[in-house]
Amino acid sequence: RKEVEQDPGPFNVPEGATVAFNCTYSNSASQSFFWYRQDCRKEPKLLMSVYSSGNEDGRFTAQLNRASQYISLLIRDSKLSDSATYLCVVPLGNQFYFGTGTSLTVIP
Amino acid sequence: NAGVTQTPKFRILKIGQSMTLQCTQDMNHNYMYWYRQDPGMGLKLIYYSVGAGITDKGEVPNGYNVSRSTTEDFPLRLELAAPSQTSVYFCASIGGGTFYGYTFGSGTRLTVV
Repeated sequence: RKEVEQDPGPFNVPEGATVAFNCTYSNSASQSFFWYRQDCRKEPKLLMSVYSSGNEDGRFTAQLNRASQYISLLIRDSKLSDSATYLCVVPLGNQFYFGTGTSLTVIP
Repeated sequence: NAGVTQTPKFRILKIGQSMTLQCTQDMNHNYMYWYRQDPGMGLKLIYYSVGAGITDKGEVPNGYNVSRSTTEDFPLRLELAAPSQTSVYFCASIGGGTFYGYTFGSGTRLTVV
């Protein structure tokens, strides 16, 4: 079983829609979790960190469910500029484990 | 404050050639990492270092070597380039363990022909 698994999508949503991505992780010892955004041909950039049950930043909400070992990312009122790949990242020990990413396209 | 700087940004190598990908950070971070990302795929860890003089293998270390003589620099060496090493290479660093997120460099796009 992979350390981190994500639905690759693609998700194609209209502007203004709400979209949610899920990510499952296999090791219950993980304590912190991250969502990164990666634009085409660019480096990943940190979007949100999740250390307890959840985190909210404007239109973005990340939630953690330790019992079921998944984290989610909710994007409200989607903008064209939200189109990107969203990577779920779970650290364990000295390493970070990346999901393969979920592709989002916001359509005008 | 430049963050994580990678050079070169682009490079074309012939099969069998060697090169070093440079990575420098100015944030006094102890932990540094090298990843490769193939088209449409996730990031795979090549090597990492938790401090000067300490390196360890990741998921895909074959064909690569690293050194960490200073806190700032973490170069990645390709000794005999192969087409399978065509990829985008990202260097990343974090300061105090894996409780915090990475800072990534902008990447090196390598093509081996």
